[in-house]
Amino acid sequence: DQQVKQNSPSLSVQEGRISILNCDYTNSMFDYFLWYKKYPAEGPTFLISISSIKDKNEDGRFTVFLNKSAKHLSLHIVPSQPGDSAVYFCAASTDSWGKLQFGAGTQVVVTP
Amino acid sequence: DADVTQTPRNRITKTGKRIMLECSQTKGHDRMYWYRQDPGLGLQLIYYSFDVKDINKGEISDGYSVSRQAQAKFSLSLESAIPNQTALYFCATSDNARGAQETQYFGPGTRLLVL
Repeated sequence: DQQVKQNSPSLSVQEGRISILNCDYTNSMFDYFLWYKKYPAEGPTFLISISSIKDKNEDGRFTVFLNKSAKHLSLHIVPSQPGDSAVYFCAASTDSWGKLQFGAGTQVVVTP
Repeated sequence: DADVTQTPRNRITKTGKRIMLECSQTKGHDRMYWYRQDPGLGLQLIYYSFDVKDINKGEISDGYSVSRQAQAKFSLSLESAIPNQTALYFCATSDNARGAQETQYFGPGTRLLVL
């Protein structure tokens, strides 16, 4: 029973354009959400997070939006760069104890 | 130098064999985790440890055991490996000393194939 879902397994975007990655969740108790980025042969690396008390968090080219009523969050990357080509995982937790539920990931390919 | 290291990086074993995957960290974190990743399923939590004397089962602990030898070391064992344990295994660490919502830091992964 996957509580965190990333329904798009892949996304192709042109360099310089916006990448929008989506994530849906079913557990209304989740109060902390994170995005991780993963390159081949490497472990996931933390990208950006958002607490449930906010609806937006921005860090440079990366912005995460949270819509609690829809149980939906999205990651915007603007502008997309070739180095952004990676798998992106959405994750959520119900408390501050660090037990994360992960989505299946979205493979992003940024083309020249 | 990597903060979280895993050995081996790749391993092929046979059904029924006992194997151990090791994780070491130099971040000084108290919390350590073991995950497995299967295609199309994301990462699933196997075991986690909040300090040396604290071990907890995750979502999919059956067939696995762990040992927290020191703050910096957390090992995952497959007592009798089976083919459906073929997966990518990740170790992670985190520090929640201030009670804040935390970030986990991952090792590079161990690719395990059970024949």
